Amino acid sequence: GQQLNQSPQSMFIQEGEDVSMNCTSSSIFNTWLWYKQDPGEGPVLLIALYKAGELTSNGRLTAQFGITRKDSFLNISASIPSDVGIYFCAGPSGSARQLTFGSGTQLTVLP
Amino acid sequence: SAVISQKPSRDICQRGTSLTIQCQVDSQVTMMFWYRQQPGQSLTLIATANQGSEATYESGFVIDKFPISRPNLTFSTLTVSNMSPEDSSIYLCSAPDIANYGYTFGSGTRLTVV
Repeated sequence: GQQLNQSPQSMFIQEGEDVSMNCTSSSIFNTWLWYKQDPGEGPVLLIALYKAGELTSNGRLTAQFGITRKDSFLNISASIPSDVGIYFCAGPSGSARQLTFGSGTQLTVLP
Repeated sequence: SAVISQKPSRDICQRGTSLTIQCQVDSQVTMMFWYRQQPGQSLTLIATANQGSEATYESGFVIDKFPISRPNLTFSTLTVSNMSPEDSSIYLCSAPDIANYGYTFGSGTRLTVV
C-alpha cells in the first residue's frame, strides 16, 4: 500500500521558535491533510490541501502541497506550549478513500 | 463538521475476554473507519465499515478477531475478541467530514490487556 514518510520523528524547541516538518510519498495524493493529536484524544484536522502547489494558512500554521503531489510541509510559527503534541500528515487513497498516515512528529515546546 | 462520540474511553481487560467499542456520529455517513494506534506509533487502518454490508479488512486484520457492526448510517461497533496483551492499543473510529474533505475522529479507546 501507499506509505508516507514523515520527518523529523521528534523535535524539541524553545517557546517562540518556528517549526517545520514534512512528508513525502512515492505515490501521488490528490488531497493532503495535516492532523494534530493531543494525549488521550483522537487526531484533529489542522489543514487540508487540495491542489498541487497550494499554500494554505490557519493562524500560525502554514502548509504547502508539493507541486508533484508527492510531498507536503507544515510550518508552525512562534510556537507556544499548547503546540505540544503529535503531528501527522495523511492522505486518502483506495476505493473508500481511507486515510494513510505518516509516522508522526512528536513536538515538545520548552519554556 | 461531524462529531463522533466514542466509548469507552479506556478499559483494562483480562486476556481471553472481548471488548466492544462503540462510535456514534451526529450525522449520517456512508463510510466509517476503524484504526489501531499501538503505543508510540502512527494510526493503522483496521477496516472500512459500510452500512448494510460486511466490513472490508486491511491486510493483517481478520473478521474473527475484529468483528464490526454497522447497523445504520450513524453508528458502528468494533469488537476486539479473545484479547491478548499484544492488543493493548488505542482504537479510533473515523468518518468523512463532508464540509472540508477531511476526516473526523472519535477521541479513542485506550485498551490495556492484562
